[in-house]
Amino acid sequence: DGGITQSPKYLFRKEGQNVTLSCEQNLNHDAMYWYRQDPGQGLRLIYYSQIVNDFQKGDIAEGYSVSREKKESFPLTVTSAQKNPTAFYLCASSIGVAGDNEQFFGPGTRLTVL
Amino acid sequence: AQTVTQSQPEMSVQEAETVTLSCTYDTSESDYYLFWYKQPPSRQMILVIRQEAYKQQNATENRFSVNFQKAAKSFSLKISDSQLGDAAMYFCAYRFSNTGNQFYFGTGTSLTVIP
Repeated sequence: DGGITQSPKYLFRKEGQNVTLSCEQNLNHDAMYWYRQDPGQGLRLIYYSQIVNDFQKGDIAEGYSVSREKKESFPLTVTSAQKNPTAFYLCASSIGVAGDNEQFFGPGTRLTVL
Repeated sequence: AQTVTQSQPEMSVQEAETVTLSCTYDTSESDYYLFWYKQPPSRQMILVIRQEAYKQQNATENRFSVNFQKAAKSFSLKISDSQLGDAAMYFCAYRFSNTGNQFYFGTGTSLTVIP
């Protein structure tokens, strides 16, 4: 079955540690996205990538980094510079960047920083 | 700034009844797409319905339909014959046609379906 996988589902880290969230898709989509979801704030865009080896900052990129070395993979690193990293993180992909292209979402990763 | 407003944080509906979730947005663009996504307790986001801003006809998907008022920048979602499985968070979003990269999401409406 085609889809987007995110791992792990739950992640716990100590304050000050970097952590990497995995996102893999087998939909052959060009574009991939990372969103952060906090209670009462909807989804906010962290980073997006239109094509391999290219990515752009979203609205809340500070304290995060990404890479896009392969079409199917778009890992997100939450660095120690992110002041409030505890949140639910959603990865998404779309076939392209046309306005009507639906975004398909992964199941999400819940990150808790202790 | 591009904004999407969902003024109803929580809504409830009796099973088999009809409910309407409201959404307004602010943009100076004329060409864009509008979406409603559903996020059930599993937290998997699922597309419910999509509307092209250049189309006057309101989109319909089975029990789900929209009331798109472009001049008012309003995009409400109507759920008919509500079912227990409709209970979820619902997010309104839009995306520009020409740049097309970023989705702008509202803060969501939590829908409860009462048996």
